Amino acid sequence: KQEVTQIPAALSVPEGENLVLNCSFTDSAIYNLQWFRQDPGKGLTSLLLIQSSQREQTSGRLNASLDKSSGRSTLYIAASQPGDSATYLCAVRDNNAGNMLTFGGGTRLMVKP
Amino acid sequence: DTAVSQTPKYLVTQMGNDKSIKCEQNLGHDTMYWYKQDSKKFLKIMFSYNNKELIINETVPNRFSPKSPDKAHLNLHINSLELGDSAVYFCASSRHGSGFADTQYFGPGTRLTVL
Repeated sequence: KQEVTQIPAALSVPEGENLVLNCSFTDSAIYNLQWFRQDPGKGLTSLLLIQSSQREQTSGRLNASLDKSSGRSTLYIAASQPGDSATYLCAVRDNNAGNMLTFGGGTRLMVKP
Repeated sequence: DTAVSQTPKYLVTQMGNDKSIKCEQNLGHDTMYWYKQDSKKFLKIMFSYNNKELIINETVPNRFSPKSPDKAHLNLHINSLELGDSAVYFCASSRHGSGFADTQYFGPGTRLTVL
C-alpha cells in the first residue's frame, strides 16, 4: 500500500528566502506525482504535475523534481513571498485503476514579511 | 467562472441523519472524484467515477454512495451519519480516468459537522 510522507510538517521563513519542501513515497511504481497548494478554507490548486518519465517541471518560481527510483520529490520555491503562505500537498498516482491520488500530510508554509 | 463547484459549503447535522453533498464541474471532464480530509488534514480518496466505471476505496463504508445524474455532476450521499464522518469533503474532476496522466481540479470543499 502506497504511503506518502512530507517533511517538514511546518516551515516558517522570512520573505525572500529560497526553500525546499520534501515528499517521499514508499512504492516507486507511480504513474505521476502532483504538487498542490491549499489555502485555508479553500480547495486545492494544482501547481505542477511530473510524469514518471520526467525528472523535473518548472512553473515560474516553482521547480519540482522527481527521483522515482528513490521514492522522492522536492518542491523548490525561489525568492519566497508572503503570498506563498499556504499548505503544500504532494500526491502520487499509482499504476492502478481510477486515476486516484494518494496524498501526503502536507507542509504548512508561512512566509513572513 | 467556477470550474468545480460544491454545495453546500457548510453542513451541520445530527447523528443518524441522511445527507447529500452536490458537485458540478463545467470543464467537460469525464471523470469525477470524492476525497475526504480529516481533522489531521489528511486527504484520502473515496471514489473515482466516470460513465464506465466506479472505483471505490475499500476503506469507505457502504453508508457513502456516489450518484451521478449526468457527466457534469457527482453527488455524495451519506446515510446514517456518524460523528466520525465530520470532515471536509472535496470533489474533483479530470479530463480522463484510468490510463491517463491528467491534472485533477478540485472544488472548494464542503465542511460537514455531525453533532
